[in-house]
Amino acid sequence: GQQLNQSPQSMFIQEGEDVSMNCTSSSIFNTWLWYKQDPGEGPVLLIALYKAGELTSNGRLTAQFGITRKDSFLNISASIPSDVGIYFCAGREGGGSQGNLIFGKGTKLSVKP
Amino acid sequence: NAGVTQTPKFQVLKTGQSMTLQCAQDMNHNSMYWYRQDPGMGLRLIYYSASEGTTDKGEVPNGYNVSRLNKREFSLRLESAAPSQTSVYFCASSAGQRERARIFFGSGTRLTVV
Repeated sequence: GQQLNQSPQSMFIQEGEDVSMNCTSSSIFNTWLWYKQDPGEGPVLLIALYKAGELTSNGRLTAQFGITRKDSFLNISASIPSDVGIYFCAGREGGGSQGNLIFGKGTKLSVKP
Repeated sequence: NAGVTQTPKFQVLKTGQSMTLQCAQDMNHNSMYWYRQDPGMGLRLIYYSASEGTTDKGEVPNGYNVSRLNKREFSLRLESAAPSQTSVYFCASSAGQRERARIFFGSGTRLTVV
């Protein structure tokens, strides 16, 4: 079935550093979504991407829809302690079926003050 | 706006017991979903309802049933709980089935089956 590979699995960084994580799929996606999950909470949508090559920012977060339509990247600039959490990518194939939203296994971000 | 509300937040069941997880959304969304989250597995779709009156199986439907009670409410039922169903369950909703529809999640139900 569909596979989403998200990397890295975890990151320990110093406050102020930039962060990069990415997801790759085994097939072409028409939508990429990036979520953040705080401990004990549900995932919260950060950025949505709908077009190959699209680059979208949300504050210090920037995400890109890969030109091959098989990958996406999330960058966080100048990390702060509240960036701690698990970041998930999710992708959707064409055709519009909501059942085809596939999630990566997450990148756990820890920030040292 | 409360968004997506799930109850209960925590539950402990004995093997073989049954229970229903409740979910309601106040965003007038057409589509609703149930996911489970296990360590190292990400989020996996159990069932979804594209619109009121319809339900469909997701990736891991075995051992579960759902009911789309009305446009606002979508419940998940475990008829005979098993330890393998220990997990965190998330309800979610979206405006529809279009590709641009964004999915919004509740805060989760932490279920332990002993």
